Amino acid sequence: GDSVTQMEGPVTLSEEAFLTINCTYTATGYPSLFWYVQYPGEGLQLLLKATKADDKGSNKGFEATYRKETTSFHLEKGSVQVSDSAVYFCALWTPNTGNQFYFGTGTSLTVIP
Amino acid sequence: ETGVTQSPTHLIKTRGQQVTLRCSSQSGHNTVSWYQQALGQGPQFIFQYYREEENGRGNFPPRFSGLQFPNYSSELNVNALELDDSALYLCASSSRVSGNTIYFGEGSWLTVV
Repeated sequence: GDSVTQMEGPVTLSEEAFLTINCTYTATGYPSLFWYVQYPGEGLQLLLKATKADDKGSNKGFEATYRKETTSFHLEKGSVQVSDSAVYFCALWTPNTGNQFYFGTGTSLTVIP
Repeated sequence: ETGVTQSPTHLIKTRGQQVTLRCSSQSGHNTVSWYQQALGQGPQFIFQYYREEENGRGNFPPRFSGLQFPNYSSELNVNALELDDSALYLCASSSRVSGNTIYFGEGSWLTVV
């Protein structure tokens, strides 16, 4: 079945460090891929998305490229800030998934000054 | 534009009781999905409602039920509560305009004791 596997956390980085959070997926058909972010005590917010192979989603300095050949959608940011501390979820959706999103288990990021 | 709103934000119930959670969809969105997020996990799809009918269901027992109203708001009902039902319950809305992107509310924290 469809699934998403995310890099285990937690991740702790110093401010201005480079961030990569790995995400790979298994899907039938052609999924759309998403990154959502959850700040402490809040719901999930859409960070970025890509709907077809080789698309790059970007927002707030974060980027992720839909790689069909490696079934990956890794999240990157060149210089993290303390305000980026949150839990990041990779997710997929396909027309075959019965209208549901499949989420990874989340990766907790803490950025220290 | 009004976002997704959920109520109550926190509640405590006793095992065996019933609970109703409420959700108002984002302005212009006619589809509502419900997810359960256990502590430290990613959201799990419960079901989706479109035009007041269930339009997809995840792997949850029948004691999880829902409704959608003509104004697109929705309720999640859980009967015979179990301790494992303790979780954050997230409502998400979407529409044809938003495509396959869903937008989450802040969630309702349910504790079953």
